[in-house]
Amino acid sequence: AQSVTQPDIHITVSEGASLELRCNYSYGATPYLFWYVQSPGQGLQLLLKYFSGDTLVQGIKGFEAEFKRSQSSFNLRKPSVHWSDAAEYFCAVLSLASNYQLIWGAGTKLIIKP
Amino acid sequence: DTEVTQTPKHLVMGMTNKKSLKCEQHMGHRAMYWYKQKAKKPPELMFVYSYEKLSINESVPSRFSPECPNSSLLNLHLHALQPEDSALYLCASSQGSGYEQYFGPGTRLTVT
Repeated sequence: AQSVTQPDIHITVSEGASLELRCNYSYGATPYLFWYVQSPGQGLQLLLKYFSGDTLVQGIKGFEAEFKRSQSSFNLRKPSVHWSDAAEYFCAVLSLASNYQLIWGAGTKLIIKP
Repeated sequence: DTEVTQTPKHLVMGMTNKKSLKCEQHMGHRAMYWYKQKAKKPPELMFVYSYEKLSINESVPSRFSPECPNSSLLNLHLHALQPEDSALYLCASSQGSGYEQYFGPGTRLTVT
């Protein structure tokens, strides 16, 4: 069965420090992968997506993610976080076998220390 | 422009009320979605419309009734809800079924 795992329920990072949020997926074919961010009480904003091609994907707000097929991972990174990055981050895979539904990870809450 | 709008932002309703949530997009997207999200959880898919036809209904109770009047609009009609239906209701749209989804800001629903 397809699944997405975000191993970290929450992560605390100091402002200005680098960030890596982990995402592992279980999917038989080439996955379509996404990272979304959700600020408290808000909708979800698409940060970046991977469909094919270059395995290092650039997104909005200075985020990037690297697709590693051998590790079934799609980790999100940012070189220097800002207080405004505090939010919930969701990784998702598009399931072609389930009528193109998104399979979601449980989310990682990012806390920024001043 | 990747904007999906939703109204109202907040809604409080009693268990005997009838209300509607509205969603609009002007990106020319042909797929639109309703999700329900509880606190600290990922969104749960409720309905999918593709080319204005209901293509997925994830076993949602009949007290939730979707409607797609045209390719830009999506409604969710609510009737006789239960307190456990209180949640953030999110609308999304995509160019088609195999494309990235863009979400609206959501409607915070409280059922009393």
